[in-house]
Amino acid sequence: EAQVTQNPRYLITVTGKKLTVTCSQNMNHEYMSWYRQDPGLGLRQIYYSMNVEVTDKGDVPEGYKVSRKEKRNFPLILESPSPNQTSLYFCASSYTGARVGYGYTFGSGTRLTVV
Amino acid sequence: SQQGEEDPQALSIQEGENATMNCSYKTSINNLQWYRQNSGRGLVHLILIRSNEREKHSGRLRVTLDTSKKSSSLLITASRAADTASYFCATDQFYFGTGTSLTVIP
Repeated sequence: EAQVTQNPRYLITVTGKKLTVTCSQNMNHEYMSWYRQDPGLGLRQIYYSMNVEVTDKGDVPEGYKVSRKEKRNFPLILESPSPNQTSLYFCASSYTGARVGYGYTFGSGTRLTVV
Repeated sequence: SQQGEEDPQALSIQEGENATMNCSYKTSINNLQWYRQNSGRGLVHLILIRSNEREKHSGRLRVTLDTSKKSSSLLITASRAADTASYFCATDQFYFGTGTSLTVIP
C-alpha cells in the first residue's frame, strides 16, 4: 500500500531532550515536506526537500533540522525542544511536487507535547 | 502570505444539503488543490484543478477556479455525515490555508 509512515504517533518529552520524528514513504516520491498544525494557524511548512541531499527552509524552520540521505526517508530533528514546539506534525510527500500537478500524500501525524 | 485562505471558517448543514466553501489566494498559480482532514488525522488529497481549467468534477465534488479573481470554490453535493471534516485549499507551492470546518448533521 502506498503510504507515508510517521513515527511515533504520540510523544511527550521534556524541554531540551533531543528527539527525532521519522518519516518514510514507499512511493519513490522526490518531494517531501514537514508541517506543523496549530489551532487557528493552519498548516505551516517547516522544511521541504526536492530530492536526496537537497533541503530548504519553509516558513517556520527555527528549532528544527532535517536530513535527506535517502529518497524514502525524511526525519525531523528537534535538537532542544521547547514548549512552543508542542504541536501536531505532519510529513507529506509528492511526486515532483505540486507544480507539475501532483498532490501530497500525508502521514497520519505525530502529536508532540513538550513539557 | 502566500497561503490560500478558506471561507467560511465553519459551516454547519443538514445531511442531503449542498456545502460550498471558498478559497482565495494571492499569487499566480499553476494549479490549486483541495484536501480533507478528519479530526486529528492526516490530510487527504481530494482534487487538483489546473490554472487553465475553470471547473472540475470528481464524484460529488465540484471545484471551480477563477484565476482573474484568484479564487476557487469547492462544492460538495448531497452531503453526508461522513463528509464532516475540515477542508483546505493549497496553492501549487503547497501553502495551505486555515481550513473550513464542515459539520453535516444527520
